[in-house]
Amino acid sequence: DSGVTQTPKHLITATGQRVTLRCSPRSGDLSVYWYQQSLDQGLQFLIQYYNGEERAKGNILERFSAQQFPDLHSELNLSSLELGDSALYFCASSSRQDYGYTFGSGTRLTVV
Amino acid sequence: GESVGLHLPTLSVQEGDNSIINCAYSNSASDYFIWYKQESGKGPQFIIDIRSNMDKRQGQRVTVLLNKTVKHLSLQIAATQPGDSAVYFCAENPVPLPYAGGTSYGKLTFGQGTILTVHP
Repeated sequence: DSGVTQTPKHLITATGQRVTLRCSPRSGDLSVYWYQQSLDQGLQFLIQYYNGEERAKGNILERFSAQQFPDLHSELNLSSLELGDSALYFCASSSRQDYGYTFGSGTRLTVV
Repeated sequence: GESVGLHLPTLSVQEGDNSIINCAYSNSASDYFIWYKQESGKGPQFIIDIRSNMDKRQGQRVTVLLNKTVKHLSLQIAATQPGDSAVYFCAENPVPLPYAGGTSYGKLTFGQGTILTVHP
């Protein structure tokens, strides 16, 4: 157990739907990062939050959004889902003292 | 070198051999590098890191070498075991963390990965 908790582990939904992925960072970590991993794109950075504020943005689609709550957990919202959104979505967290991330076990999203 | 998508570089070794996994990074301003191991169905797991002011760092059975001249990073695994079979990713962080206001923000950029298969 890495200390980063992601739910749900698996999600199957239809095109056009909206889903929410949840992440609880390691205790004490203020930064949360979201990554998308697909077969043809590898690990792609989506967005980062630090203590509730957005700090960095990657190639995140406008249909996707995220937020970090006062208790530091984060949610990634994916809407108007398309088949190509099927992927593993990872959350990672880090603290001020850490230089590396600790990853969760991911949410596997399948859009049918 | 790196490949895209399904055509990940692969390395097959016998148990007990030493393994060397290579990575070419893209940003000459990158200050910090990490190797991650990802087993099937799991998230990437931190293995070892190195700052740009070093050219070598050793851990338990693993060594990372950094050649900034040619922007090359390698991971050496000694006495490779079947449990080492996984996909290995290098990652770079261009943000000098000690100067980033004390925060650790700065997104990691990952390479495409190398599949390591260890045969008993």
